[in-house]
Amino acid sequence: EVQLVESGGGLVTPGGSLRLSCVASGFPFSKDIMHWVRQAPGKGPEWVSYISSSSSYIYYADSVKGRFTISRDNAKNSVYLQMNSLRVDDTAVYFCAREGSPWFWGQGTLVTVSS
Amino acid sequence: DIQVTQSPSSLSASVGDRVTITCQASQDISNFLNWYQQKPGKAPKVLIYDVSNLETGVPSRFSGSGSGTDFTFTIDSLQPEDVATYYCQQYDELPYTFGQGTKLGIK
Repeated sequence: EVQLVESGGGLVTPGGSLRLSCVASGFPFSKDIMHWVRQAPGKGPEWVSYISSSSSYIYYADSVKGRFTISRDNAKNSVYLQMNSLRVDDTAVYFCAREGSPWFWGQGTLVTVSS
Repeated sequence: DIQVTQSPSSLSASVGDRVTITCQASQDISNFLNWYQQKPGKAPKVLIYDVSNLETGVPSRFSGSGSGTDFTFTIDSLQPEDVATYYCQQYDELPYTFGQGTKLGIK
């Protein structure tokens, strides 16, 4: 059974940092493209970041470029999102997702940026 | 960036009705289009992938069609449990983008 379990969310003040983790199981993680997608309260999903299977290709949404860093550890079946210089408008549920036919999403972790 | 225009933004229909939602992409996205169902407090759930493929376990009353820039999602006989928000997603070109969502209710 495919599973993606995110963790690391929480409450942080503006300008702070958080590191999200996503542990995968049930599929050959090292072969798959992974993403982070977020959804602000009451809004639709927004793609955040992409990492290729070997970490050779990495892309970010303009809204997070220069502040967020995606990485993965294939030995640990994990993908990470380091979030720095957090802003109030980064408040959202963050999902990790496996690209494929079909895509598969985790259940998400809530990040709240507030003073 | 590829814009994905989804309509309508909200819809109310009776149990048993046929419901149709459309998504139009600003350029050809081949068959890289998914449809999701999202209920409050839950992650989006894939119903249809690559335009017309039904995800395992999803009832056959859900279907998808289209090509190039114009895509359609259909529920053949609306059930009470289908109350949710539905999104399309293109993944032909980064940044991957989503439609604005359709909030579906029961009359």
